Amino acid sequence: DAGVIQSPRHEVTEMGQEVTLRCKPISGHNSLFWYRQTMMRGLELLIYFNNNVPIDDSGMPEDRFSAKMPNASFSTLKIQPSEPRDSAVYFCASRLTPSKEQYFGPGTRLTVT
Amino acid sequence: GENVEQHPSTLSVQEGDSAVIKCTYSDSASNYFPWYKQELGKRPQLIIDIRSNVGEKKDQRIAVTLNKTAKHFSLHITETQPEDSAVYFCAASKNNAGNMLTFGGGTRLMVKP
Repeated sequence: DAGVIQSPRHEVTEMGQEVTLRCKPISGHNSLFWYRQTMMRGLELLIYFNNNVPIDDSGMPEDRFSAKMPNASFSTLKIQPSEPRDSAVYFCASRLTPSKEQYFGPGTRLTVT
Repeated sequence: GENVEQHPSTLSVQEGDSAVIKCTYSDSASNYFPWYKQELGKRPQLIIDIRSNVGEKKDQRIAVTLNKTAKHFSLHITETQPEDSAVYFCAASKNNAGNMLTFGGGTRLMVKP
């Protein structure tokens, strides 16, 4: 099992550019979560999906953020336009219900200059 | 919404000593409390969890206690080893499926050899 896969691992972009982060959950898992980690705010849940359906996006900071899960094996988190304060490590995690354990991906370190 | 406070933010112990990390939560409906370990530059990984119908759970050198009345829970690591050095996060969820995790701010544990 390859675990949760995220790409890219590092992204450096200029303010105003569109950024797309990608996640492939563990095969067979039916829940997917996007988190953001910063020194100031710690680990924050942005959005989660159950069976490809967005269940709660209350953690998405602004309309500049959007997430999709077109199928069970792929999800994207998009920021448009990006701002320096979006700089963070973005983690994707997946889970297979009824287990509660969330398996995290390696993260994408985003730097917006 | 749920608020999770974690203390201390940093903890330094000698190898072989015990380490205790404490968390409090605000929502009395929370019923699932996992602990994640994050090594430098790595992803968070679940090390132990406890549900609200249990007061204590142990796994080798790691134990977690829960006091629902006081709304706090703690992580205990005995016989610490240098490889225990990492950032530890507590979390709470009031959804029985463990979906909506709210994380504490993290504790950086340093075990000195």
